[in-house]
Order: sequence, then C-alpha cells, then structure tokens
Amino acid sequence: QQPVQSPQAVILREGEDAVINCSSSKALYSVHWYRQKHGEAPVFLMILLKGGEQKGHEKISASFNEKKQQSSLYLTASQLSYSGTYFCGTEYYSGGSNYKLTFGKGTLLTVNP
Amino acid sequence: DTEVTQTPKHLVMGMTNKKSLKCEQHMGHRAMYWYKQKAKKPPELMFVYSYEKLSINESVPSRFSPECPNSSLLNLHLHALQPEDSALYLCASSQDGGRGRFTGELFFGEGSRLTVL
Repeated sequence: QQPVQSPQAVILREGEDAVINCSSSKALYSVHWYRQKHGEAPVFLMILLKGGEQKGHEKISASFNEKKQQSSLYLTASQLSYSGTYFCGTEYYSGGSNYKLTFGKGTLLTVNP
Repeated sequence: DTEVTQTPKHLVMGMTNKKSLKCEQHMGHRAMYWYKQKAKKPPELMFVYSYEKLSINESVPSRFSPECPNSSLLNLHLHALQPEDSALYLCASSQDGGRGRFTGELFFGEGSRLTVL
C-alpha cells in the first residue's frame, strides 16, 4: 500500500531548510528515503528501522514515529545539489515470508540560488 | 565496486519483438529487483529475487519474464509488449532481502529506457 508524501513540491533558496513527510496506514518495519535527479537513478539517503536503528548520510537526518507510522526527512542549510525528487519507501510485512517496499509519489524539491 | 550495471540504456522495440534487459552487480548482494518507472511517477516493484529464487512477483503480466542465472546477474525477457509498457526499467540490488528478510539499502542501476512502438 502506497505511503502518502507531503508536500508534493517545495521551492527553497539556498541555505533554507525543508521537511518532507511520509505516512502509512500499515504497520511498518522500515522507512527508506531516496533522491532521484532528472534522468538519473534513485540514490539511497537514509533507512530507519523499527526499533530505532538508522543508517544514512551525515548531513541528512530523519525521524520515524513507529506508533504513528510516520517519517520525516529533514534537509537543513539546503544546497543546489539537493534539488531532485525525494521518495519515501515504506516496508511492511506482506504475508508469507515477504516484506514489501513501496514508494510514495515523491516530493519535488527545487533549490534556487 | 558499488555499481549496478544495466544494458542496454535505451531500447526501441515493436510489439512482436523479443528482447532482453540485463543487470549485473558485483557487490555480493543476494537480493535483486526489477522496478518499472513511468515519467514523474515512483518506481513500482515488479519482481524480487532472493538467493537466486523468485520471491515476489507483483502480478506482472506474463509478457515480462524474469530470470536470475546466478547471484550477480538478473535478466528481464520481454515479448509481445504493449505501447503502455514503455517506461524506465530499473534494476536494483540489496545485501539481503526477500524470503523473510528486510530489504535494506537499495542500489539502483541507471535504468533501461524502453519504448514500445
């Protein structure tokens, strides 16, 4: 089931901060964050696991509220290179022995000079 | 080596053609994935292979046939496709995933852009 991302788009000036939110109606085992620039492959940013473990970039932070099945990605002191579409991926138990990772519709972030 | 390599980068095919997309990784990852991505849409999961066995098939039409010859290679065989199948096909790998395991960090290839005429 597809997670809900907000906002759909955000425009920043260099140096400004942004928060992107992701929520799911399903009990989650992990939340992933990826950034995709136009014409390129998605690139891993962060993974947050149920239980509090995190792995990701030093300059990007995120939170995962397991009770609310919500995650937020925090982009501080934005740089031009932060521009792109940000996807959250939510992983949930789908039955049998499988976990499924499903991506939200994405948030288009534009950072201007 | 932290790359996932996909070939070809671009493919144009008619509806009666048979073609294949190829994906290779040498990171020792045991899970490999095919995703389909339409313009301005998120990647949609098609197939997951875990330890060279198909673990997830997201009800993909049989005109798409995946194959995992070994732990480093993943193919997607295409036959009798429709114009609506035109999309970017992304291969990804992760250290572990499928068969009861969390997906973990996904490494994506650059994709194969498919156009069906």
